[in-house]
Amino acid sequence: EIVMTQSPATLSVSPGERATLSCRASQSVGSNLAWYQQKPGQAPRLLIYGASTRATGIPARFSGSGSGTEFTLTISSLQSEDFAVYYCQQYNNWPLTFGPGTKVDIK
Amino acid sequence: EVQLLESGGGLVQPGGSLRLSCAASEFTFSTYGMSWVRQAPGKGLEWVSCITASAGNTYYADSVQGRFTISRDNSKNTVYLQMSSLRAEDTAVYYCAKSWRANCYYMDVWGNGTTVTVSS
Repeated sequence: EIVMTQSPATLSVSPGERATLSCRASQSVGSNLAWYQQKPGQAPRLLIYGASTRATGIPARFSGSGSGTEFTLTISSLQSEDFAVYYCQQYNNWPLTFGPGTKVDIK
Repeated sequence: EVQLLESGGGLVQPGGSLRLSCAASEFTFSTYGMSWVRQAPGKGLEWVSCITASAGNTYYADSVQGRFTISRDNSKNTVYLQMSSLRAEDTAVYYCAKSWRANCYYMDVWGNGTTVTVSS
C-alpha cells in the first residue's frame, strides 16, 4: 500500500497570503495525484488531478505541482472561503490512498 | 446538474448488516466507475471500494475486504454497498463518488454522504 503523508498538519495563514501544502508518497505515483478541499459538514471537492490540472470551476489561485513522490498545492492568495482541510490522494496503485490532510486556518 | 444521493445509513449493532445505496442523475452512469469513501468522526478520508463502469472489476480496502460488497445496477443508475459483520470502527459518514472515467481513479463528483453508526 502506498502511504501518503501531508505537511504541515495545520497551516495558519492570513487572508491574502500564500499557502503552500506538501504531500509525499511512500513510492512513486507518477503524476497520478489529486487534491481535494473539504469544509466542515460538507463533502470533499476535487481541486486538482494529474498533479497539476485544475478541475472544472476551480479558481486559478489554486495550483498543483510535482511528480513521483513529492507534490505541492499552492493557494496564491487565500480567500475567506479557502479555509478548509485539504487532502491529497494517489490513484496510481491499489488501494487508492489519501493523505491525512492539512487544515488551513485563519491566522 | 450531476448529482449523487446516498441513502441507507443508520444505527446497527456490531456484527449486523446494512446496505447503502447511491442514486445518480444527470450523467451517463453506465460509463463511469463509482467509489465509496468513508470518514470516521473527526478523522480523514478513507477509500473503501470501487466498481468499474461495466462492473467487471471491483476493488476493496483491506479493512473491508471480505465483509463489504460493492455492486451496481446500471438500469437504475444506482451503486450499492452491502456491509456485513459490521464493527465499531466502521462508524463513519459514507460518501458515494463518481470516478473520472470507466475505471477507478480520482473522484470528480461526490454525494453528501450517509451516516453509519455501529453500536450496541
